Amino acid sequence: AQRVTQPEKLLSVFKGAPVELKCNYSYSGSPELFWYVQYSRQRLQLLLRHISRESIKGFTADLNKGETSFHLKKPFAQEEDSAMYYCALRAGSQGNLIFGKGTKLSVKP
Amino acid sequence: DSGVTQTPKHLITATGQRVTLRCSPRSGDLSVYWYQQSLDQGLQFLIQYYNGEERAKGNILERFSAQQFPDLHSELNLSSLELGDSALYFCASRRDRKNSPLHFGNGTRLTVT
Repeated sequence: AQRVTQPEKLLSVFKGAPVELKCNYSYSGSPELFWYVQYSRQRLQLLLRHISRESIKGFTADLNKGETSFHLKKPFAQEEDSAMYYCALRAGSQGNLIFGKGTKLSVKP
Repeated sequence: DSGVTQTPKHLITATGQRVTLRCSPRSGDLSVYWYQQSLDQGLQFLIQYYNGEERAKGNILERFSAQQFPDLHSELNLSSLELGDSALYFCASRRDRKNSPLHFGNGTRLTVT
């Protein structure tokens, strides 16, 4: 079955510290993977997708097919990064995304 | 602004009642998706429509139904409401292209009392 696992419910770091939000997926085919961010229960905003290999707001994510992971990283966290982060998988031809449970990132001053 | 519009923003109603949530997708997007976000269940996919036709179903209760109209806007109907239906309901749309993301609306916050 297709599944997305985000093992940390909460991640708390100090400003300027590196951040890594973990995401593992379960899917035997060729996945499409995304990271979304949600500030204060507002709408989900696309942060990154694996196909683009870009850096948004200092965040990057690399797809590792061997480890079936798509971890989100940022070298220096900022207070405004505090939010919920969701990893999502599109498996197969269906368009819907399967979301992980999310990780709440809290960046302290 | 994602371009996806959802109304109303907030809805407060009583158990047993019926409500309709409305969504207008981004211009040019033929696919509409509905998700439910609750504190304990996270983001759950409910249903997808493509150009007026139901394309995929997720964890949608029989008390819930949806449709997509010729102008591509969609409505999610929730009936015989229970306290546990209180949640944020998100609509999203996308282009039907490989690797295209979902673009989400601001959601409708439903409170059942």
